[in-house]
Amino acid sequence: DAGVTQSPTHLIKTRGQQVTLRCSPKSGHDTVSWYQQALGQGPQFIFQYYEEEERQRGNFPDRFSGHQFPNYSSELNVNALLLGDSALYLCASSRAGELFFGEGSRLTVL
Amino acid sequence: GIQVEQSPPDLILQEGANSTLRCNFSDSVNNLQWFHQNPWGQLINLFYIPSGTKQNGRLSATTVATERYSLLYISSSQTTDSGVYFCAVEWGYSGAGSYQLTFGKGTKLSVIP
Repeated sequence: DAGVTQSPTHLIKTRGQQVTLRCSPKSGHDTVSWYQQALGQGPQFIFQYYEEEERQRGNFPDRFSGHQFPNYSSELNVNALLLGDSALYLCASSRAGELFFGEGSRLTVL
Repeated sequence: GIQVEQSPPDLILQEGANSTLRCNFSDSVNNLQWFHQNPWGQLINLFYIPSGTKQNGRLSATTVATERYSLLYISSSQTTDSGVYFCAVEWGYSGAGSYQLTFGKGTKLSVIP
C-alpha cells in the first residue's frame, strides 16, 4: 500500500516565477491538505481539498491556489514567488480523522 | 485561534535514557496527533490520541483532554529516535470530515551514544 507521494522532492526557482507541486494521496483517502513548513517551525495549514473543492483555507494569500482531480490527487500552485516562499511543502491525506504526510517538496526561491 | 505549546524545546539524552515530552493546548480539541520528523523532513505518525493512553513499543502517549495536555513517553532511547517531535491538534467546529491541524513548534531531541 503506497503512502502519500509528492513530486518533485527538490526544486529551485527565482523570484517572480510560478511553481506547481503534486501529491497523490494514500489509497482510500479522499481528502488532501497542504502545509508549509519554514525552517525551524512547525507546519502551517495552507488549504484542504475534498470532492474537488477547496473546503478550508489557512492564512495564505491568493498567490497560493490548488486543485483536486477526480482520482483525489492534488496540485499546489504558487504564483509570483517571493524569497519567503522558500520552505518544505507537505501534503497530507486523510479519510477518517488521522492525517498521513508525504515526504515533502523542498522549494528554494533565489 | 488555539495555542499549542510544546516543552522542552530542546532535549539531549544519553542512549538508553527515558524522556517525557509535553504538549499543552489552550482550548478543547477534537483530535490530537504526535509526529516524528526525521532528518529528511518526513512527518511520521506516532499516535492518533484525542484522549486516553496508547502504547507502541518503546513509545507511549497519554492525552488528558479535560486538562488540555498530552504527554509522549520515550523509553530506552536510541540514536534513531533523534529528530523533532510535533504535537498537532484539530479544534473548533470544522465540519464533517474536516481535518485541519494546528502544530506546536516541536521538541528537538538528540540522542547521543
